[in-house]
Amino acid sequence: EIVLTQSPDFQSVTPKERVTITCRASQSVGSSLHWYQQKPDQSPKLLIKYASQSISGVPSRFSGSGSGTDFTLTINSLEAEDAAAYFCHQSSTLRGTFGQGTKVEIK
Amino acid sequence: EEQLVESGGGLVQPGGSLRLSCAASGFTVSTFYMNWVRQAPGKGLEWVSSIDSGGSTYYADSVTGRFTISRHISKNTLYLEMNSLRAEDTAVYYCARDSILTVWGQGTKVTVSS
Repeated sequence: EIVLTQSPDFQSVTPKERVTITCRASQSVGSSLHWYQQKPDQSPKLLIKYASQSISGVPSRFSGSGSGTDFTLTINSLEAEDAAAYFCHQSSTLRGTFGQGTKVEIK
Repeated sequence: EEQLVESGGGLVQPGGSLRLSCAASGFTVSTFYMNWVRQAPGKGLEWVSSIDSGGSTYYADSVTGRFTISRHISKNTLYLEMNSLRAEDTAVYYCARDSILTVWGQGTKVTVSS
């Protein structure tokens, strides 16, 4: 099983700051790494697919990078509505796995 | 609009059974890779099971032998049959489309407790 480790687990950020969340895989997943946002009491929502590909309707302040084992989700100029948990997920194997999540709080 | 709506959750005793349903609209379930993902209270996401367009099924080790994923073509619905339920199966269960989980349902809550 491929283990995904996110850091940090929690981040408290002021609006307009840049947020960087990393996801490290225990073995290479190529570019089959995706990012999701989950707001309280809501279902997760796909933010970035295949490491860096944007999703229609997702604000351009969200971007992703990386390949192999190291990936980054960046939120430029954080807005209050971005308070949420963020998860990475790998689909390179038939049994997909998730990172433990990063909670972003707005100061 | 492409939509998934789960149902069938509830309170069940340890050792009991439950069948979850996921009704799709706006697309055909049988032509997509479909998944069940769960989230225990206050925890992260855990992949549970998938079925591909050819009907091949896949399960997490934690549910193998106890859970069965299936689909009904004419009802355009995905199912998860859960047997021998344990306290650790308590979670919100989501169905999601595609290997990259592009479309999610709202979730259905399963509580396993005596």
